[in-house]
Amino acid sequence: DTAVSQTPKYLVTQMGNDKSIKCEQNLGHDTMYWYKQDSKKFLKIMFSYNNKELIINETVPNRFSPKSPDKAHLNLHINSLELGDSAVYFCASSQFMGQGIYFGPGTRLTVT
Amino acid sequence: GQQLNQSPQSMFIQEGEDVSMNCTSSSIFNTWLWYKQEPGEGPVLLIALYKAGELTSNGRLTAQFGITRKDSFLNISASIPSDVGIYFCAGHRSGGSNYKLTFGKGTLLTVNP
Repeated sequence: DTAVSQTPKYLVTQMGNDKSIKCEQNLGHDTMYWYKQDSKKFLKIMFSYNNKELIINETVPNRFSPKSPDKAHLNLHINSLELGDSAVYFCASSQFMGQGIYFGPGTRLTVT
Repeated sequence: GQQLNQSPQSMFIQEGEDVSMNCTSSSIFNTWLWYKQEPGEGPVLLIALYKAGELTSNGRLTAQFGITRKDSFLNISASIPSDVGIYFCAGHRSGGSNYKLTFGKGTLLTVNP
C-alpha cells in the first residue's frame, strides 16, 4: 500500500535514554515532516525536510535530531529523553511545500 | 505566533443531523485544509482548498475557502456514527517563504446513533 509508515507504534522508555523513530513514505513526495501532538491534541510542527535539506526547524531542543538519508526517509533521534517528551509523534509528507500533507499513523512515546 | 481559531470545540449530535464547523484567522491564508483524526490514528486529509471562494465536496463533506482568505468552513450532511472523531482545520499563511502548516485546536464530534 502507498502510505507514510513509521515505527515503532508505541515506545515506552525511561528518562535519560536515547531513542529513534523511523519514517518512510512511498508516495514519491519531496517534502517530509515531523509533528508533535500533545495531550490536548494540539499539532505542532517540529521539522521539515525538502529533498533531504532541512527547511523548517522550530524551537525544538537540540536533543531532537532529524536525519534524512534520502527523499523517502526521515528519522527522528531523541537524546536524553525527558518526561515532557511524552507525546504522539507524527511523520508526514507532501508533494511540495504549501500543499496538503499526509500523516503516518503516529508513534506514542511514553517517558517514565 | 499565528493562530487559527476553530469552533466549536466539541459537538454532540444525533445521527442524521447536519454539522458545521469553521476556522478563522487574523492573517490571510493561501491554503486551507481539513483533516479528521480517529483515536490511535494519524490525521487524514479530507479536503484541500487552494483558491479564495473555492467550494469543494468529498461525499457528504463540503468545505469552502472564504472570500476574505481568512476563514474556512466544513459541513457534514446527514451524519453517521463513523463520522465521530476530531476534525482539524489547517492552513498555509500567505507571504514570504512561510510554508509552515498551522493547525486549529480541533472540533471533537460525537454522533449518537
